[in-house]
Amino acid sequence: DGGITQSPKYLFRKEGQNVTLSCEQNLNHDAMYWYRQDPGQGLRLIYYSQIVNDFQKGDIAEGYSVSREKKESFPLTVTSAQKNPTAFYLCASSMTAFTGELFFGEGSRLTVL
Amino acid sequence: AQSVTQLDSQVPVFEEAPVELRCNYSSSVSVYLFWYVQYPNQGLQLLLKYLSGSTLVESINGFEAEFNKSQTSFHLRKPSVHISDTAEYFCAAAPMDSSYKLIFGSGTRLLVRP
Repeated sequence: DGGITQSPKYLFRKEGQNVTLSCEQNLNHDAMYWYRQDPGQGLRLIYYSQIVNDFQKGDIAEGYSVSREKKESFPLTVTSAQKNPTAFYLCASSMTAFTGELFFGEGSRLTVL
Repeated sequence: AQSVTQLDSQVPVFEEAPVELRCNYSSSVSVYLFWYVQYPNQGLQLLLKYLSGSTLVESINGFEAEFNKSQTSFHLRKPSVHISDTAEYFCAAAPMDSSYKLIFGSGTRLLVRP
């Protein structure tokens, strides 16, 4: 079945550590996205990538980094510079001729201890 | 700047009653409009979308939404809800001139009670 796979589903981190969240898709979509979800705030865009080897900052990119070396993969690193990293992280993808329809993974919940 | 407003953070309703979840948007350009649904600890799923044409759009599970350009609204309705409709619902807008940048509302939690 085609879809988006995020891992791990739950992750605990100590302050000062970097962590990397995995996102893989087999939908053959060119564009991929990372969103952060906090209670009562909806989704906020962290980074997006429209093609391989290219990505742009979203609204809340500070403290995060990404890479897009393969079409299928768009990993997100939460660095120690992110001041409030505890959140639910969602990866999504879309077709090139984008009309707003995103396909989401099931999310990764990061908790900083 | 574009924005999407969902005024109701939570809507409690009894099973088989009608429901309306409100969504208003603000944009200087034309937009595509969407409703997404999120079940607990899962990603979002597209419920329905308005791209062009008929202003009334329907989903396969009985929800409908109507695009009202003069009121800049895209309210979601269902004439009779089920327990299984309990979820969080997000309205979203994508400006037609940069449609990769989807803008989400803060969400409305629909709580259906027996």
